[in-house]
Amino acid sequence: EVQLVETGGGLVQPGRSLKLSCVASGFTFSSYWMYWIRQAPGKGLEWVSSINTDGGSTYYPDSVKGRFTISRDNAENTVYLQMNSLRSEDTATYYCAKPRRGYHYFDYWGQGVMVTVSS
Amino acid sequence: EIVLTQSPTTMAASPGEKVTITCRASSSVSYMHWYQQKPGASPKPWIYDTSKLASGVPNRFSGSGSGTSYSLTISSMETEDTATYYCQQWSSNSPYTFGAGTKLELK
Repeated sequence: EVQLVETGGGLVQPGRSLKLSCVASGFTFSSYWMYWIRQAPGKGLEWVSSINTDGGSTYYPDSVKGRFTISRDNAENTVYLQMNSLRSEDTATYYCAKPRRGYHYFDYWGQGVMVTVSS
Repeated sequence: EIVLTQSPTTMAASPGEKVTITCRASSSVSYMHWYQQKPGASPKPWIYDTSKLASGVPNRFSGSGSGTSYSLTISSMETEDTATYYCQQWSSNSPYTFGAGTKLELK
């Protein structure tokens, strides 16, 4: 059974940092790109970052580029999201997501972790 | 970036009623994918590659469309279908983007 379990969320002050983790199981983690997607309270979904299978290529939207860093440890089946210079608009539930092989949609999502940026 | 515009934003349907949710893309896309999300839960894949039902999705759901216009249809609304539905696209010249969602309520 595929499982994605995110941890690391919480309340953080503007300008500070936070690191999220997502531990994967039930599939060959090292064979899949991995993604972070967020959802602000009462709002829609926003893709936040992508990482290829070996971690050598990463992608971000302009809204987080230069502040967020995605990385992975294939030995630990874990993908990370380092978030720096956090802003109030980064307040959201952050989901780790796995794409279905050969397709461009997400067939498994984690339970999500809440990040609140507030003084 | 390809922008997805969903309509309506919110709607209410009676049991047995036919429901159609539309998603329009700012540029042509090859496929559209749909997710169902209930309060407090993660999104679930619902329809992929425009018209294929994800595992466990009732066959009263269907998807169609091409180019810039796509839709999700429920042939006969049921109570359990109350949720928010999001469309999502990927193309080689645009990052993953999602629609703003359509909240479907029971009338």
